[in-house]
Amino acid sequence: EAQVTQNPRYLITVTGKKLTVTCSQNMNHEYMSWYRQDPGLGLRQIYYSMNVEVTDKGDVPEGYKVSRKEKRNFPLILESPSPNQTSLYFCASSYKGIRNSPLHFGNGTRLTVT
Amino acid sequence: TQLLEQSPQFLSIQEGENLTVYCNSSSVFSSLQWYRQEPGEGPVLLVTVVTGGEVKKLKRLTFQFGDARKDSSLHITAAQPGDTGLYLCAGERDYKLSFGAGTTVTVRA
Repeated sequence: EAQVTQNPRYLITVTGKKLTVTCSQNMNHEYMSWYRQDPGLGLRQIYYSMNVEVTDKGDVPEGYKVSRKEKRNFPLILESPSPNQTSLYFCASSYKGIRNSPLHFGNGTRLTVT
Repeated sequence: TQLLEQSPQFLSIQEGENLTVYCNSSSVFSSLQWYRQEPGEGPVLLVTVVTGGEVKKLKRLTFQFGDARKDSSLHITAAQPGDTGLYLCAGERDYKLSFGAGTTVTVRA
């Protein structure tokens, strides 16, 4: 089944403890992206990747890192999480960018930082 | 400040009624996408409109892109409880996608 898989689905952590949220897609998509969703603010893009070894900042990249060593994986790294990074995170992918191919989203990771 | 403003924020209607959700911006977009998101899941693309003035129909859902490509609307005819969800519009510009805050639609049986 074609899908975007995020892990974990739920994560509670403490301030400053490094964490990684994994994202994997099995559709051979070139484009991958991370979003955070907060009430009243909608989805905001954190980072995106047009292809392997190519990553770019989105609208809210502060406090996050990503890597794209393989086409299928795009992990999101929080080196020193803070409470304002408590949010619902979504990974998404598309065949080639977002202009002419639809975004496929994972089911989300709910992160709480205390 | 949201690049895309959606209204209303919440909408609760009875089964069989019609509803319209609006998505407005002062910016021009190359295309406009509509997604529906259900609790515990990621957004799912409903439609993409790319031409100013374009109207697309998907069963009981009608999507319209404004002539100036700055705004869009989603109209649902004879809403059903299965239409309940969060509806998100997203505008694409310079290969970047910006989302509205969403409209939560509840259809009561």
